[in-house]
Amino acid sequence: DGGITQSPKYLFRKEGQNVTLSCEQNLNHDAMYWYRQDPGQGLRLIYYSQIVNDFQKGDIAEGYSVSREKKESFPLTVTSAQKNPTAFYLCASSSGLSREQYFGPGTRLTVT
Amino acid sequence: GESVGLHLPTLSVQEGDNSIINCAYSNSASDYFIWYKQESGKGPQFIIDIRSNMDKRQGQRVTVLLNKTVKHLSLQIAATQPGDSAVYFCAEKREGAQKLVFGQGTRLTINP
Repeated sequence: DGGITQSPKYLFRKEGQNVTLSCEQNLNHDAMYWYRQDPGQGLRLIYYSQIVNDFQKGDIAEGYSVSREKKESFPLTVTSAQKNPTAFYLCASSSGLSREQYFGPGTRLTVT
Repeated sequence: GESVGLHLPTLSVQEGDNSIINCAYSNSASDYFIWYKQESGKGPQFIIDIRSNMDKRQGQRVTVLLNKTVKHLSLQIAATQPGDSAVYFCAEKREGAQKLVFGQGTRLTINP
């Protein structure tokens, strides 16, 4: 069964703690992306990666970090420096930067 | 364009009618456009895409129209069904850029 998995679906953390969101794909896609979605709004790009061991900042990278050690995996860490971390986080992948992106089911993070 | 505000535009249609969802884009250099469907609590799902060298593309029950003169994109859904209820996003990729820019989204509601 090919696709993108994100875990967990819901995540709760206390303010001041770092938290890592998982994203795995078995589509053999080169490019992977992380987006943030706030209620009633569109998607904003946090980070993206074209190939293993390489990644670039998106529009709202401050307070986030990523790694791309394997083609299949692109974990996102929400650090304590992120001022407003509560949001719905979406991971996506594509076979190239000019192709359609396929999205995972998302992780809803709540920080209190 | 970028998402703004907390209130999504809403479109209500009768079941069985055709739906037309509109999207204005800002950059005349955009060369690739995608429509996504997002159901509540889920990740966006790819519907259809179109490149700037085309003005129309059809899929199963959906048609995308591109008017480059006025920088307008539309998604037509034929014979709307209850399962079409969702938020619909357009996204554009600017020529030479490496990322998609998502619009705010439109919430489609189906009346029985």
